[in-house]
Amino acid sequence: GAVVSQHPSWVICKSGTSVKIECRSLDFQATTMFWYRQFPKQSLMLMATSNEGSKATYEQGVEKDKFLINHASLTLSTLTVTSAHPEDSSFYICSANDGFGTYEQFFGPGTRLTVL
Amino acid sequence: SQQGEEDPQALSIQEGENATMNCSYKTSINNLQWYRQNSGRGLVHLILIRSNEREKHSGRLRVTLDTSKKSSSLLITASRAADTASYFCALQIYNQGGKLIFGQGTELSVKP
Repeated sequence: GAVVSQHPSWVICKSGTSVKIECRSLDFQATTMFWYRQFPKQSLMLMATSNEGSKATYEQGVEKDKFLINHASLTLSTLTVTSAHPEDSSFYICSANDGFGTYEQFFGPGTRLTVL
Repeated sequence: SQQGEEDPQALSIQEGENATMNCSYKTSINNLQWYRQNSGRGLVHLILIRSNEREKHSGRLRVTLDTSKKSSSLLITASRAADTASYFCALQIYNQGGKLIFGQGTELSVKP
């Protein structure tokens, strides 16, 4: 089956620093990738949808200048949390769609971000 | 809100019992999916039911979909301690880029 990886699996950083999270489709080309955020004991909330080679579409309430998304290739999307603060501590999960019309999404294992 | 609403929020049962979780929604959908998530881990895709389907089975899982009532249910039969996890329904709407909108989840605890 289609595999999506995320790196790193966890990261701890100081307040004010920027953190980059990578999402890779390992055995397929992902025309569309999605980024979700999940706070403890809560559901997944979609942050943005990114299509290769174009700007990401952010959900209402998500700051595009704070959460920078780059989908430069068909196998890699990155999420950069700029000037991270403790309230950005969360579980970030990406998913990818292979664009074959089924709209099936394959999920990465998630990245746990802790901002001190 | 397009988000699915799940009930119960938490469910505690004994091993061997059946567990039923419900998901209701307000918008038209193309399909509805169920996922499992163990604490602090990634998502596991369980089952997808299309809007023109009414029932689907996969092993000990049975999913129903009633588009007239905009509701779905997930039944886990003969539950096991290993079924302890959070379960989420997710709505998929193709004309919104295929994004998934997740319900709030049901936390299932199966006691041995």
